[in-house]
Amino acid sequence: QQQVKQSPQSLIVQKGGISIINCAYENTAFDYFPWYQQFPGKGPALLIAIRPDVSEKKEGRFTISFNKSAKQFSLHIMDSQPGDSATYFCAASMMDSSYKLIFGSGTRLLVRP
Amino acid sequence: GAVVSQHPSWVICKSGTSVKIECRSLDFQATTMFWYRQFPKQSLMLMATSNEGSKATYEQGVEKDKFLINHASLTLSTLTVTSAHPEDSSFYICSARDARAGDTDTQYFGPGTRLTVL
Repeated sequence: QQQVKQSPQSLIVQKGGISIINCAYENTAFDYFPWYQQFPGKGPALLIAIRPDVSEKKEGRFTISFNKSAKQFSLHIMDSQPGDSATYFCAASMMDSSYKLIFGSGTRLLVRP
Repeated sequence: GAVVSQHPSWVICKSGTSVKIECRSLDFQATTMFWYRQFPKQSLMLMATSNEGSKATYEQGVEKDKFLINHASLTLSTLTVTSAHPEDSSFYICSARDARAGDTDTQYFGPGTRLTVL
């Protein structure tokens, strides 16, 4: 019940295309859903985050869509660029659990020029 | 933005020795810090949660006597891998949370420390 399932495991997109990564969770007590970007040999960097009371949040080329009833959320990267090639992790946390982040398994994105 | 640093960025040690990794919040006070371990091409696995001035809370399966965590100040947490063995070789990453900030859920991650045990 603490798991966050992420798909796909890997994704190849042409430059300018839309990259879509999906996550699903079971625990309805989760109340914070961030997305992190990680380059090889580096720590994760926060991209964008959303709370369950909002269905969509957009920051630049990055958009989170959140479906509370389906217990799913997704990251959309518009106009994908080669510099976006990285591993993306979704995560979830809840206040009652000391804000511990439960990470998805990650998606390796490759954007071809 | 909030910056978290780690030192060293990489370390190589002999089997049986102990290694200390430092995690610092540079421009904010971290009331809570988290330690993660990441194996190649895998996700981040939470090892422990530490609150300033109190004992760390370890996740199930993590040996607290092997991975010693100290959070002595609001800007510094340390992870000591005692009697390291080759299977402890991994990428160790810390994160920090500022409970007094407006967005209390946000965790800021350090750049990670690559540990190789020979």
